Amino acid sequence: EVQLVESGGTLVQPGGSLRLSCAASGFSFSDYWMTWVRQAPGKGLEWVANVKEDGSQKHYMDSVRGRFAISRDNPENSLFLHMYSLRAEDTAVYYCARERTDSSGYFQNSYFDSWGQGTLVTVSS
Amino acid sequence: QSVLTQPPSASGTPGQRVTISCSGSSYNIGINNLKWYRQLPGTAPKLLIYSNNQRPSGVPDRFSGSKSGTSASLAISGLQSEDEAVYYCAIWDDSLNGHVFGTGTRVTVL
Repeated sequence: EVQLVESGGTLVQPGGSLRLSCAASGFSFSDYWMTWVRQAPGKGLEWVANVKEDGSQKHYMDSVRGRFAISRDNPENSLFLHMYSLRAEDTAVYYCARERTDSSGYFQNSYFDSWGQGTLVTVSS
Repeated sequence: QSVLTQPPSASGTPGQRVTISCSGSSYNIGINNLKWYRQLPGTAPKLLIYSNNQRPSGVPDRFSGSKSGTSASLAISGLQSEDEAVYYCAIWDDSLNGHVFGTGTRVTVL
């Protein structure tokens, strides 16, 4: 059974830093792109970043590029999101998800087939 | 402000058919494959449709997706009370070089 378990969410002051982790099990972690999605309280889903199977390719949403860094440790089956210069608008539940490529073979057509339960990040003084 | 626009709400009575639209552009729906996710209150989202119209195993055939040009839709037939949730379309946007979610549609079963 695929399991994704996020951790690391907490209360942090504006301008602060935080590292989120996602522990994966039940599948061959190194065979999949992985992604982070967030959801601010009472708001919709917002894709944050993703990383290729071997970590060689990464993409970010505009508002976090340069402030957040996605990384992975394949031997440890772990995904990370390093968050710097945090702002109030970064307050959200952060989900990690597995990306699966469809029959087209293009990563652009991948979908999120398994999700973690989320971890809450609150940026406030 | 998402590049994918959905109506904020939709409703129907049990057994009815409800359709949710998702409007995009030539940078996303026009060229890439659309997904639909459902989020029940207090839970993580769940995949409903991928590749525009494919259902993962375990998703009932009451859910169907379609795409035409730069728009897409999700249809729920035989509406049930447990279908009350927020539904999101999602896709890769070539101009943003990243995934994007739609604004979300809350479905209410009357």
